Amino acid sequence: AQSVTQLDSHVSVSEGTPVLLRCNYSSSYSPSLFWYVQHPNKGLQLLLKYTSAATLVKGINGFEAEFKKSETSFHLTKPSAHMSDAAEYFCVVRRGGYQKVTFGIGTKLQVIP
Amino acid sequence: NAGVTQTPKFQVLKTGQSMTLQCAQDMNHEYMSWYRQDPGMGLRLIHYSVGAGITDQGEVPNGYNVSRSTTEDFPLRLLSAAPSQTSVYFCASSPGQSEAFFGQGTRLTVV
Repeated sequence: AQSVTQLDSHVSVSEGTPVLLRCNYSSSYSPSLFWYVQHPNKGLQLLLKYTSAATLVKGINGFEAEFKKSETSFHLTKPSAHMSDAAEYFCVVRRGGYQKVTFGIGTKLQVIP
Repeated sequence: NAGVTQTPKFQVLKTGQSMTLQCAQDMNHEYMSWYRQDPGMGLRLIHYSVGAGITDQGEVPNGYNVSRSTTEDFPLRLLSAAPSQTSVYFCASSPGQSEAFFGQGTRLTVV
């Protein structure tokens, strides 16, 4: 079985300060991991993905995530938050087949001016 | 490219009514899927398809039917709507074992 835990349902940061959104996963096999962003009333957009290549993954809009197997974590970071980053973020784990996808419950990021 | 297009964007149904949510993609992706999004539960897979003529159940298939007669289209049918099916529905497509591309969603309310 596999699961994904997003440790914070809400995160609030000031504009210009770092962002950290935490994700832990469990999987019996080496998984593929993804972060998606969803802006209000929009679909999900891929931020970045890890598929067993480099452990530090760079995505769009200045986001990056580091795969740490020993900690079973895939935290999402950004050095400096922008107002446009306010959205909901989903960590996703996929093991093997296309249908074996598990979404986290999401983290809502609030950016304070 | 339009990507993944879902229609309608909003729908209100009465309990017991049936309807079809439409999903079309123009990227020639093999894989298509339907998810529902509920507060505090992330997205859950309803049905998926790995190619025309091939469909299978996901995590929460009860009350929903799908078919895949063409590569482009993957409609989701609600047979007899129930209030528990009030949700936001997302269609996604994927070029094989890669990341998914999502539509804009259909917000469904069953009263």
